[in-house]
Amino acid sequence: GDSVTQMEGPVTLSEEAFLTINCTYTATGYPSLFWYVQYPGEGLQLLLKATKADDKGSNKGFEATYRKETTSFHLEKGSVQVSDSAVYFCALSYNAGNMLTFGGGTRLMVKP
Amino acid sequence: DAGVIQSPRHEVTEMGQEVTLRCKPISGHDYLFWYRQTMMRGLELLIYFNNNVPIDDSGMPEDRFSAKMPNASFSTLKIQPSEPRDSAVYFCASSLGGATQETQYFGPGTRLLVL
Repeated sequence: GDSVTQMEGPVTLSEEAFLTINCTYTATGYPSLFWYVQYPGEGLQLLLKATKADDKGSNKGFEATYRKETTSFHLEKGSVQVSDSAVYFCALSYNAGNMLTFGGGTRLMVKP
Repeated sequence: DAGVIQSPRHEVTEMGQEVTLRCKPISGHDYLFWYRQTMMRGLELLIYFNNNVPIDDSGMPEDRFSAKMPNASFSTLKIQPSEPRDSAVYFCASSLGGATQETQYFGPGTRLLVL
């Protein structure tokens, strides 16, 4: 079946450091890919998405490129802030049913 | 729009009691999802509805769990009887179905503690 694998956390960085959170997927078809973010005490919210190969999703300085050849969708940000501290979830979905398959989540901690 | 609304935000109950969690999806959304989040198991999909009809309940852990969606603006997740291992954060999410992989919008969650 379909699955999403993320790097285990926590990832601890200093403010203004470069961020990469790895995400790879296994899928039988051509899903859409998502990054969701969960701030402390809140529900998940969509950060960015890409719907086909080579698409780049971007939002709030975060970027991720849909790489079909490596089945990856790594999240990057050039300069993290303390306010980026949260748990990040990679996920995939197909058209039918709108069901999301989530990875295990990666906690990011940014220190001043 | 107010977003997905869940109530209560926190619930503390004793083992054996019935627990009812409530969700109001975003108006016009035709998909509704119930998730459970724990440290051990991460985020799990319990059940989802399309146009108020349950489509996939394979994630519901056991018969103690049941979910209903009597109309397009309300859903409940019930646990009867509750057990300490049910302690978790329960999220409701809704989305607008269609061919363009619409985003799921999550509520703030209900934090359940069963003593």
